[in-house]
Amino acid sequence: GAGVSQTPSNKVTEKGKYVELRCDPISGHTALYWYRQSLGQGPEFLIYFQGTGAADDSGLPNDRFFAVRPEGSVSTLKIQRTERGDSAVYLCASSRGLTYGYTFGSGTRLTVV
Amino acid sequence: KNEVEQSPQNLTAQEGEFITINCSYSVGISALHWLQQHPGGGIVSLFMLSSGKKKHGRLIATINIQEKHSSLHITASHPRDSAVYICAVKQETSGSRLTFGEGTQLTVNP
Repeated sequence: GAGVSQTPSNKVTEKGKYVELRCDPISGHTALYWYRQSLGQGPEFLIYFQGTGAADDSGLPNDRFFAVRPEGSVSTLKIQRTERGDSAVYLCASSRGLTYGYTFGSGTRLTVV
Repeated sequence: KNEVEQSPQNLTAQEGEFITINCSYSVGISALHWLQQHPGGGIVSLFMLSSGKKKHGRLIATINIQEKHSSLHITASHPRDSAVYICAVKQETSGSRLTFGEGTQLTVNP
């Protein structure tokens, strides 16, 4: 596609539920990143994929968070047993590689009630 | 202390004014990014710098590697420039991830 697409744009879920957030990167971008942005703060790194593999998952806050990119394109961020503190905007970005710039999606606003 | 600090946190200007937003960082970097975020919207990449200066339209970005400092300038500011401007660095030791500043909220009044 022309840009990075994230769905849904908004998600409201009850505490304890499971959610999946989807990111469809620009075609041909091998690098894909997930960031989380809380209100009034800059984004924080969660995980980075190079192709199908998670090259760096050190930003995932705990084992409730998991992400996959099985075919090296679309990625899904999965959050189990959601907590109110998980409420944030989840941003996805893709890039052609280490020396290239990033293209960000519009984010998914997750609200856990 | 954050690894990336921006100043000011908030900036209000009148249309037409020259605007400067500053970014200081405390780590070794391979690149620095300036990003723009509109309310409720996604993030747009403005510049990626590793040295010197870049210009795009009314926007100018500079970086001084020795001083670990970058500035984003907006000439002839316009209300549509109102947004959050974010500085982010790619650290030499952290692979591909970006470390973000907290952003500068810019409001340009007509």
